[in-house]
Amino acid sequence: AQSVAQPEDQVNVAEGNPLTVKCTYSVSGNPYLFWYVQYPNRGLQFLLKYITGDNLVKGSYGFEAEFNKSQTSFHLKKPSALVSDSALYFCAVRETNRDDKIIFGKGTRLHILP
Amino acid sequence: DAGVIQSPRHEVTEMGQEVTLRCKPISGHDYLFWYRQTMMRGLELLIYFNNNVPIDDSGMPEDRFSAKMPNASFSTLKIQPSEPRDSAVYFCASSPTSFANTGELFFGEGSRLTVL
Repeated sequence: AQSVAQPEDQVNVAEGNPLTVKCTYSVSGNPYLFWYVQYPNRGLQFLLKYITGDNLVKGSYGFEAEFNKSQTSFHLKKPSALVSDSALYFCAVRETNRDDKIIFGKGTRLHILP
Repeated sequence: DAGVIQSPRHEVTEMGQEVTLRCKPISGHDYLFWYRQTMMRGLELLIYFNNNVPIDDSGMPEDRFSAKMPNASFSTLKIQPSEPRDSAVYFCASSPTSFANTGELFFGEGSRLTVL
């Protein structure tokens, strides 16, 4: 079965600095990979996805993620953090050609310090 | 577009009572998912439907939980009887047919359930 690990419960970054939120995955086939963001008392919002092609994927709000097959990772990055980026971030995986289940990691809380 | 609509947004009930959570997916979406979010376990997939048919309910914790989708515009998640450990935020998400190729989910605002 597919699984996702987000090793950090919380990440603190100073405003203007680059940020990275880590994600590793496990699937037996090829993955679809996703990042979602959740603001307080709201539902999750789609940020970006990797399906195939370029390993560097660009998404909403200046975020990007890099797919690394050998390390089974899909880390979320942004060159310059904003205070408004503070939120809960979820990595998710779906195994292609298998079923339609999307499995989420436990989430990483990102704090951007002014 | 109204987005995915869930009700109630908040529910407080006593142990043993029946709880019904409701979801209206985005019009035209034919996939519907129910997730549960807790601090301890994160976001867990409970069940999902395709064209109103339950496809995988392996995440439903026990027989006290049931979900239905009587038509394309409505789904319910029922807990009977409820227990304090069911306290969580329950999310509904929908997706169009292109989900098979994209995987993007559209989430509702969630229903926060507290069982005393």
